[in-house]
Amino acid sequence: DIVMTQTPLSSPVTLGQPASISCRSSQSLVHSDGNTYLSWLQQRPGQPPRLLIYKISNRFSGVPDRFSGSGAGTDFTLKISRVEAEDVGVYYCTQATQFPRTFGQGTKLEIK
Amino acid sequence: EVQLVESGGGLVQPGGSLRLSCATSGFTFSSSEMNWVRQAPGKGLEWVSYISSSGTNIYYADSVKGRFTISRDNAKNSLYLQMNSLRAEDTALYYCARADSGSHGRGFDYWGQGTLVTVSS
Repeated sequence: DIVMTQTPLSSPVTLGQPASISCRSSQSLVHSDGNTYLSWLQQRPGQPPRLLIYKISNRFSGVPDRFSGSGAGTDFTLKISRVEAEDVGVYYCTQATQFPRTFGQGTKLEIK
Repeated sequence: EVQLVESGGGLVQPGGSLRLSCATSGFTFSSSEMNWVRQAPGKGLEWVSYISSSGTNIYYADSVKGRFTISRDNAKNSLYLQMNSLRAEDTALYYCARADSGSHGRGFDYWGQGTLVTVSS
């Protein structure tokens, strides 16, 4: 199974400041079809998860452009350019390159 | 508007069974790949099972293999999870979620609100 490891697990951030979350996979997420099926989810308190980013860097519909994704192979990053109060929650990376699908442990973003 | 509505959760004794349902609308269910994902109280996300659009291809997490069965009824736009031999560690909020190869790069793009399964004596 592919293990997804996120750092940090907790990130206190000042409003208006940037935030960054790292995700590392135990093996390459490049699929035989050439795509890298790494996505990012946001889960606000009491809500189901919501897709933010798919295939490393593609923003899902309605996701603000302050969210961006980057990376390749086994190392990926989610960046928030300027954190807003509504960004509080837990962020997960997940891979869909192979079964079983796996998630990172989650990174809790909170406001200082 | 896309909607996924799970039902069927509840309190069940260890060793018991439950059948979860997920009724969908607002997207083409019959051509969508679907999943069950669960979240134990206060914990992270755990993928449970996948079924292809036609139902031909099915995968399970090792933790549920041999006990859970995923299925779908494309005529009813519905997804199911039959859960047998339930254990305390199956206690979780169960979400149905679409993650389709044809759109959004297999990202889990649509989610329900979840249905809570509690396994306890």
